[in-house]
Amino acid sequence: ETGVTQTPRHLVMGMTNKKSLKCEQHLGHNAMYWYKQSAKKPLELMFVYNFKEQTENNSVPSRFSPECPNSSHLFLHLHTLQPEDSALYLCASSWTSGGVGETQYFGPGTRLLVL
Amino acid sequence: AQTVTQSQPEMSVQEAETVTLSCTYDTSESNYYLFWYKQPPSRQMILVIRQEAYKQQNATENRFSVNFQKAAKSFSLKISDSQLGDTAMYFCAFMKSSNTGKLIFGQGTTLQVKP
Repeated sequence: ETGVTQTPRHLVMGMTNKKSLKCEQHLGHNAMYWYKQSAKKPLELMFVYNFKEQTENNSVPSRFSPECPNSSHLFLHLHTLQPEDSALYLCASSWTSGGVGETQYFGPGTRLLVL
Repeated sequence: AQTVTQSQPEMSVQEAETVTLSCTYDTSESNYYLFWYKQPPSRQMILVIRQEAYKQQNATENRFSVNFQKAAKSFSLKISDSQLGDTAMYFCAFMKSSNTGKLIFGQGTTLQVKP
């Protein structure tokens, strides 16, 4: 499973901490995505990047700050999170985000616990 | 706004038998794409099958097939000859054809295949 990788796989942080999640795709894709998967809720799209440019911000609180330095890497910087932000954070990639019906390929996720 | 509903939170099936997972969606779009994704326990989410709304023929991938009823806005997944490795959470997802890669997911159905 080397297509889309995410680190760390597990993260515990306090509400005053600052941490970052990293995603890397080895598929030659140009679009990358962050999703939040909470228990008992559908996956929620957070951000979309296409050719390093952010094309979608799904009303995500500013305590989540994405960064896409190139088409292969995507970061999610976290600061002053709340316990309700505890979830599985999934990264995905696709050829482009503007393509028609593009399949998205997912990473294994980072399990985040905010204390 | 588009919505996706999976009304069966949990299902079980005996190995080698057939099971059908249901999915309904709501949209005013005429052209779109539908997906079924599989998320095994502690493993990456992977695409199972994909359907283009303008194609009347139901998609098939080996033991997996869909029953796409456009007028009824229904997109069920049939798994034939169920195997233990099919145990996973299954997500139905919708994407507009003109969208920025925005996938809208259902709540998921947990499928347990019993030996």
